[in-house]
Amino acid sequence: SQQGEEDPQALSIQEGENATMNCSYKTSINNLQWYRQNSGRGLVHLILIRSNEREKHSGRLRVTLDTSKKSSSLLITASRAADTASYFCATARISGSNYKLTFGKGTLLTVNP
Amino acid sequence: DTEVTQTPKHLVMGMTNKKSLKCEQHMGHRAMYWYKQKAKKPPELMFVYSYEKLSINESVPSRFSPECPNSSLLNLHLHALQPEDSALYLCASSQVGLRGTPTANEQFFGPGTRLTVL
Repeated sequence: SQQGEEDPQALSIQEGENATMNCSYKTSINNLQWYRQNSGRGLVHLILIRSNEREKHSGRLRVTLDTSKKSSSLLITASRAADTASYFCATARISGSNYKLTFGKGTLLTVNP
Repeated sequence: DTEVTQTPKHLVMGMTNKKSLKCEQHMGHRAMYWYKQKAKKPPELMFVYSYEKLSINESVPSRFSPECPNSSLLNLHLHALQPEDSALYLCASSQVGLRGTPTANEQFFGPGTRLTVL
């Protein structure tokens, strides 16, 4: 079953606006990561937030994590047309001597110039 | 070099064919992964290799056969696939901790191989 569930499934905004995507999950996690995927290409890691962290920033990205609500949000500020992509949250859980990433369904972000 | 490469970029095969997907990284990562991604869906984990040994098989059908010949290479051998196996196959790599110590670092993904099974 899907560990992460993003909403909205699709988001369309104008360049310069902020974009917020949310992710919910069901079980305990080691960390939560956000990835971006341009159409039909590989995924690019954006940011990782550990289970004992509440907020993290990287450039125009701001991620929050609420483990009590099992939810996270990704905020992209001052969006650009180049930010158009699918965004996935992924929860990392320990499995034996490895960890597994389980991806949510993703949010398709369209930034209109 | 922070790149994961995958070949071929596109592959069309019949249900009776045997083909292989290749993945290579030179970042010194000792964990490597295969994911399958159907259109408009998230990636789904298939296999995990840690120190060149298969550590996770997510109940993948035996028509998919992974191989990790050394710490830089990961192959996925395909045989007798079905049309529903058509998808984007993604390879990824990551660091691991000391042997037996789990870590949860970011994964570096290749661009994928777009597979079509006729």
